[in-house]
Amino acid sequence: KQEVTQIPAALSVPEGENLVLNCSFTDSAIYNLQWFRQDPGKGLTSLLLIQSSQREQTSGRLNASLDKSSGRSTLYIAASQPGDSATYLCAVRPRGYNFNKFYFGSGTKLNVKP
Amino acid sequence: DGGITQSPKYLFRKEGQNVTLSCEQNLNHDAMYWYRQDPGQGLRLIYYSQIVNDFQKGDIAEGYSVSREKKESFPLTVTSAQKNPTAFYLCASSIDLLAGELFFGEGSRLTVL
Repeated sequence: KQEVTQIPAALSVPEGENLVLNCSFTDSAIYNLQWFRQDPGKGLTSLLLIQSSQREQTSGRLNASLDKSSGRSTLYIAASQPGDSATYLCAVRPRGYNFNKFYFGSGTKLNVKP
Repeated sequence: DGGITQSPKYLFRKEGQNVTLSCEQNLNHDAMYWYRQDPGQGLRLIYYSQIVNDFQKGDIAEGYSVSREKKESFPLTVTSAQKNPTAFYLCASSIDLLAGELFFGEGSRLTVL
């Protein structure tokens, strides 16, 4: 069964720092991997979607990479701002008959201090 | 604007009562999903539907029921059989293609008094 892990569970950095969030998964048979942001008491907002054939995706200060063979993805946030404080979750979409059952990590709670 | 609307945002229920959470999308997506989120845990799939009039149990379907009579709507009923219903409930949708992106509503928080 696919398992998705995000380490660390929480991260606190000063404003302006570049940072990397990690996501690992146990089964490399995936269609895609998606990164989300969740603010307290809110739904998930999609940040980046990486298809299995891609190595990375970029949106503004965010860059996500995917290494299927090692079962890893990273989300790089450049020049962090207090407004980036939120919980970041990753999810994988598995290949096969279960393709509609996304698997989520538990998230990394990011705090960017002014 | 296209999106997913969940209502109500907050709901209080007495023990023994059934409640229904609404989820409506205008994204023309075929697939819709219900997830439950508890503090410190990842999202857990309750039910999902790939097309109208068809739905499948997820990992924690016991005590829940759904219907999919229209493409746009996927309501979730939390029944009195659900032992620990207090949680944050999230509805999501995607184009039913293998590479489709997943989109979420704003969530509904259910509290059992």
